[in-house]
Amino acid sequence: GQQVMQIPQYQHVQEGEDFTTYCNSSTTLSNIQWYKQRPGGHPVFLIQLVKSGEVKKQKRLTFQFGEAKKNSSLHITATQTTDVGTYFCADYNDYKLSFGAGTTVTVRA
Amino acid sequence: NAGVMQNPRHLVRRRGQEARLRCSPMKGHSHVYWYRQLPEEGLKFMVYLQKENIIDESGMPKERFSAEFPKEGPSILRIQQVVRGDSAAYFCASSPPVGGYTFGSGTRLTVV
Repeated sequence: GQQVMQIPQYQHVQEGEDFTTYCNSSTTLSNIQWYKQRPGGHPVFLIQLVKSGEVKKQKRLTFQFGEAKKNSSLHITATQTTDVGTYFCADYNDYKLSFGAGTTVTVRA
Repeated sequence: NAGVMQNPRHLVRRRGQEARLRCSPMKGHSHVYWYRQLPEEGLKFMVYLQKENIIDESGMPKERFSAEFPKEGPSILRIQQVVRGDSAAYFCASSPPVGGYTFGSGTRLTVV
């Protein structure tokens, strides 16, 4: 299946600061989906990006799909303690999701 | 409108025992997917089922693992003769014929 790499693996953020997590592939991605998983929880769908260069915003979250459809990013502004969790990107091809290993975010109050 | 229901939430089995994990999809969803998550890893696709049909089982280990989605009742993921390496979180997801996934809360399997 599609190999999706996420960096960084861990992100320690001061409350109020911004951060970005990246998702990269050596081959063209079909569609990108982003999920958030709280500790001990299950993945919760955040967004799907389909088009090259697409940008979508959800409040403090901004999602981008690269022009070549080989990378994606999630940028969070003014981090809050509620942003704690692991953020996964996944290539969605037909019915199958190929997940990256995730970026685990901790927040210092 | 209940979400995807998985049970049990936590399951402890001794090596060599059988584990049965259940998943009831959302109402109106006819497609069920099973994923496995090892500690600090992303989810890995295991199997995709529709009612009474296995569509894609390319992610299932060749031995000891089986899945079904009968005409009536929940989808079952069955692991025979469990080993320590089977310890993981197993997530079920469902979708309508066209549309995105909804994941259940998962079953955390611990093999002792």
